[in-house]
Amino acid sequence: EAGVTQFPSHSVIEKGQTVTLRCDPISGHDNLYWYRRVMGKEIKFLLHFVKESKQDESGMPNNRFLAERTGGTYSTLKVQPAELEDSGVYFCASSQPTWTGSYEQYFGPGTRLTVT
Amino acid sequence: DAKTTQPNSMESNEEEPVHLPCNHSTISGTDYIHWYRQLPSQGPEYVIHGLTSNVNNRMASLAIAEDRKSSTLILHRATLRDAAVYYCILRAPPGSARQLTFGSGTQLTVLP
Repeated sequence: EAGVTQFPSHSVIEKGQTVTLRCDPISGHDNLYWYRRVMGKEIKFLLHFVKESKQDESGMPNNRFLAERTGGTYSTLKVQPAELEDSGVYFCASSQPTWTGSYEQYFGPGTRLTVT
Repeated sequence: DAKTTQPNSMESNEEEPVHLPCNHSTISGTDYIHWYRQLPSQGPEYVIHGLTSNVNNRMASLAIAEDRKSSTLILHRATLRDAAVYYCILRAPPGSARQLTFGSGTQLTVLP
């Protein structure tokens, strides 16, 4: 079974540019989460999709961040325009539908974003 | 979410057991105790979880205090590959799709 994949693994952009991160969850996982760790800080939740719907986006820092999950499969996280403080590692995770009673979130390897 | 408190760092010798403590004095009756770990340059991975009884799986054991205000993750024989940051996280019951709330975790160093 393929795990959660993220692309790219590393992105370096200039302040003011746009970057789109992609996450492919494990097949069949309805729940998809985005987290990030900025330098020296703890891993923080950004948002949660159930299939194609945003269940909770309370962790999104501001309106420069836009997440989508078209068709309930892969998800993208766009940062536009990027600022220096957006630098960090962005993790995607997925988990099985809640009716399974499952408890485990499976994380991807992360995308390291560097804004210069 | 109720908070957890863990030591910033711990060291262990290879092939020896490791006991990673976690305090969660404000845990609610329905909170499950989860442990995740993050190996270098990887995303976090699930280790184990429990509610009241001690739990064992292929990766580790979880010992939960009777009053549930603390727990201990036990690695029975540490290997170099177990060097990671270990996170103790409280979550709503299984099946809840709520997000994970990470603290600062415990950085485990395994010495050869």
